Amino acid sequence: AQSVSQHNHHVILSEAASLELGCNYSYGGTVNLFWYVQYPGQHLQLLLKYFSGDPLVKGIKGFEAEFIKSKFSFNLRKPSVQWSDTAEYFCAVNNAGNNRKLIWGLGTSLAVNP
Amino acid sequence: DVKVTQSSRYLVKRTGEKVFLECVQDMDHENMFWYRQDPGLGLRLIYFSYDVKMKEKGDIPEGYSVSREKKERFSLILESASTNQTSMYLCASTAYRGGNQPQHFGDGTRLSIL
Repeated sequence: AQSVSQHNHHVILSEAASLELGCNYSYGGTVNLFWYVQYPGQHLQLLLKYFSGDPLVKGIKGFEAEFIKSKFSFNLRKPSVQWSDTAEYFCAVNNAGNNRKLIWGLGTSLAVNP
Repeated sequence: DVKVTQSSRYLVKRTGEKVFLECVQDMDHENMFWYRQDPGLGLRLIYFSYDVKMKEKGDIPEGYSVSREKKERFSLILESASTNQTSMYLCASTAYRGGNQPQHFGDGTRLSIL
């Protein structure tokens, strides 16, 4: 069965530190990949997505992610975090053959200290 | 901009009650989803619907049912509420134009069963 693994459950950083959140998935076929963010008290919203083309995708608020097919990975990065990036981050995957359902990672809680 | 509206932000009910959670989207989306979100467990899919009167079980359908009589509205029903159904419930919708369409989320309903 498909699964998504997020390596870190809790991350604590200081402002201006660099961020990388890991995401690996298990599925051998064509996939669509997503990162969502949930700021405190707000609804889940899309950060960025990949479905084809350039494997380095850029999203909102300076985030980017790189799809490495050989490693089944889609890691999220930001060169310099801000206090306002404190949130929960979710990686999600679906496959081209059954693309209605998303498979979700368990999430990573990021706390950025000012 | 897509708007997904959940009828209540907070709800308190008693065990054994029949509980209705309502969700409305304004973008004529074909697909709608109900999730529950619990700390450390990420998002778990309860049910989804890809058309009016159509539904499919997700990963944790036990104790729940759904109704989709109109395209814009998707209701989650707890037939006989139990304390282990205390959770945050999220509704989402997406257009069916291929699996690369992101899901759009409501603000969530925090349900407490006493």
